[in-house]
Amino acid sequence: QSALTQPPSASGSPGQSVTISCTGTSSDVGGYNYVSWYQQHPGKAPKLMIYEVSKRPSGVPDRFSGSKSGNTASLTVSGLQAEDEADYYCSSYAGRSLVFGGGTKLTVL
Amino acid sequence: EVQLVESGGGLVQPGGSLRLSCAASGFSVSSNYMSWVRQAPGKGLEWVSIIYAGGSTYHADPVKGRFTLSRDNSKNTLYLQMNSLRAEDTAVYYCARLSDIVYWAIDYWGQGTLVTVSS
Repeated sequence: QSALTQPPSASGSPGQSVTISCTGTSSDVGGYNYVSWYQQHPGKAPKLMIYEVSKRPSGVPDRFSGSKSGNTASLTVSGLQAEDEADYYCSSYAGRSLVFGGGTKLTVL
Repeated sequence: EVQLVESGGGLVQPGGSLRLSCAASGFSVSSNYMSWVRQAPGKGLEWVSIIYAGGSTYHADPVKGRFTLSRDNSKNTLYLQMNSLRAEDTAVYYCARLSDIVYWAIDYWGQGTLVTVSS
């Protein structure tokens, strides 16, 4: 049940794209297509942005996209906007449990 | 409308116990997988426990043997009994519902309740 590995920070200017990685093992990210991504603004509860690796819930802008290759999942935010500045967490099913990444603070310059 | 409202957090001494409650509305807790996720101050999210719709429960290694997850279907409420609390259990505890439409994604979160373990 080791945490998934995310870079602590990422940044980009408005309109640019940024990609956040999430590395696990064959027991979690690599073993299942059940990777989710959550956005968390300060003092707020997390919000689901991507589920099952690459699917978007209703209401989430199509600027957010997800993918996976092997044991690493990625979240790409295109056309960065000021409101995208937040913490982002990946999560994966890990066999009767969930495991989260350490989180990435996305700064919009 | 789906809502999750946690209560029961507070200050407790090391070695003490606390019971968190999560009152659900807009759906039945017995029909969904329900989980607790915690976040230590300034830190990331950490999965704590899960209860399946069938009633099976599973816990993260750091809380195994100390935390118990249960539900009262008549009250539509989820409980987290926390015993032998340690300083490292200090965190905001979120009640969370796993989607019954997609796999292993949390679609609703409560507002969180703060647990502080300190002497």
